[in-house]
Amino acid sequence: QLVLTQSPSASASLGASVKLTCTLSNGHSSYVIAWHQQQPEKGPRYLMEIKSDGSQRKGDGIPDRFSGSGSGAERYLTISNLQSEDEADYYCQSWGTFGGGTKLTVL
Amino acid sequence: EVQVVESGVILVQPGGSLRLSCADSGITFSNYWMSWVRQAPGRGLEWVAAIDQRGSEKNYVGSVKGRVTISRDDAKNSVFLQMYSLRAEDTAVYYCVRENRGGGGSSFDYWGQGTLITVSS
Repeated sequence: QLVLTQSPSASASLGASVKLTCTLSNGHSSYVIAWHQQQPEKGPRYLMEIKSDGSQRKGDGIPDRFSGSGSGAERYLTISNLQSEDEADYYCQSWGTFGGGTKLTVL
Repeated sequence: EVQVVESGVILVQPGGSLRLSCADSGITFSNYWMSWVRQAPGRGLEWVAAIDQRGSEKNYVGSVKGRVTISRDDAKNSVFLQMYSLRAEDTAVYYCVRENRGGGGSSFDYWGQGTLITVSS
């Protein structure tokens, strides 16, 4: 059974960078995952897809500040030059499975 | 009885039924799997149902099997979710999503605006 594991929370200062992690369960390290952003009181927005080789496919209009990478069973979302509007919940997803989400606080 | 409280908000009594529709002229649904995903108040995202490009293969999460039917009409670029025997635990915002399958993976690369379904007497 596919399980995606995320830390419940993360924080970083305005203008800094943060790296969020999504870990695929045993036997699923080759899976493609997607990252989604959900700002407060809004619906989710697709950010990007990341393959096991680290290659990525971004959604339309996603700023260059958002980038993705991967290593083994882990997939990362890095946000550079943090802005106040980046404060949101971030979910990883693969097939019909979602991670529990990481709440990002911008200090 | 189903009440439309306001745009995007629907109130339905326990045991009731309703049909959700999703249409967007700005994005193509044909040639893609389509899914419905829900989010209960204060909770995370949960996949509910999926339908293939031809409408012949349908998958459902266990908690809704037998109570939900997904369908599509590509001529109208629309996806539907028929829900029966609704329960309080079905209360959630429901999103239609486009699923991009390929390269051994699946990503939801489009999210509809969402409809809040409240099941309450």
